[in-house]
Amino acid sequence: QKEVEQDPGPLSVPEGAIVSLNCTYSNSAFQYFMWYRQYSRKGPELLMYTYSSGNKEDGRFTAQVDKSSKYISLFIRDSQPSDSATYLCAMSDNGGSQGNLIFGKGTKLSVKP
Amino acid sequence: DGGITQSPKYLFRKEGQNVTLSCEQNLNHDAMYWYRQDPGQGLRLIYYSQIVNDFQKGDIAEGYSVSREKKESFPLTVTSAQKNPTAFYLCASSHSFGYTFGSGTRLTVV
Repeated sequence: QKEVEQDPGPLSVPEGAIVSLNCTYSNSAFQYFMWYRQYSRKGPELLMYTYSSGNKEDGRFTAQVDKSSKYISLFIRDSQPSDSATYLCAMSDNGGSQGNLIFGKGTKLSVKP
Repeated sequence: DGGITQSPKYLFRKEGQNVTLSCEQNLNHDAMYWYRQDPGQGLRLIYYSQIVNDFQKGDIAEGYSVSREKKESFPLTVTSAQKNPTAFYLCASSHSFGYTFGSGTRLTVV
């Protein structure tokens, strides 16, 4: 079983839809959970992060962590064409400064106008 | 503006040549990383460095070398021993948690 599993998509939705992106993981020691957004031919940028369980909201984006199920989600409300990108989840037991930030393979999202 | 600068953006290499990818950061971050990104394979760690003059191999270090002589700089050399070097290379840095990435270098073997 891989440490982090993420559906690669592609996921295509109409503008204005609610998008749900998900990752599952196997290591119960993970405490730091992040979502990165990567536009084509660019480097990933940190979008959201959470520590331990719970929800975090930032504008149209909500990150959820369910440690009991080893499942994290990113919700995008009122999706826009500018949200079209690949979304990578990432997680670690200590923040990742020792080269141990584990990434999912990314889900490619396309929001159609 | 603080950030990570990778250069060049595109690089072409002939078979048998060594090439060096540049990565410079002005974020005063201690740790720096090199990743390789291939379609369908996600991000794979090549090397990382937590302090100057020290670095560790990642999951796919064979055929690559690095140096960390200055805090701001972490160049990656792709040697002729790397059999399949065509890929998108990403440099990152971090302070406490989460990484800041550069814009990447796309290397193509011709």
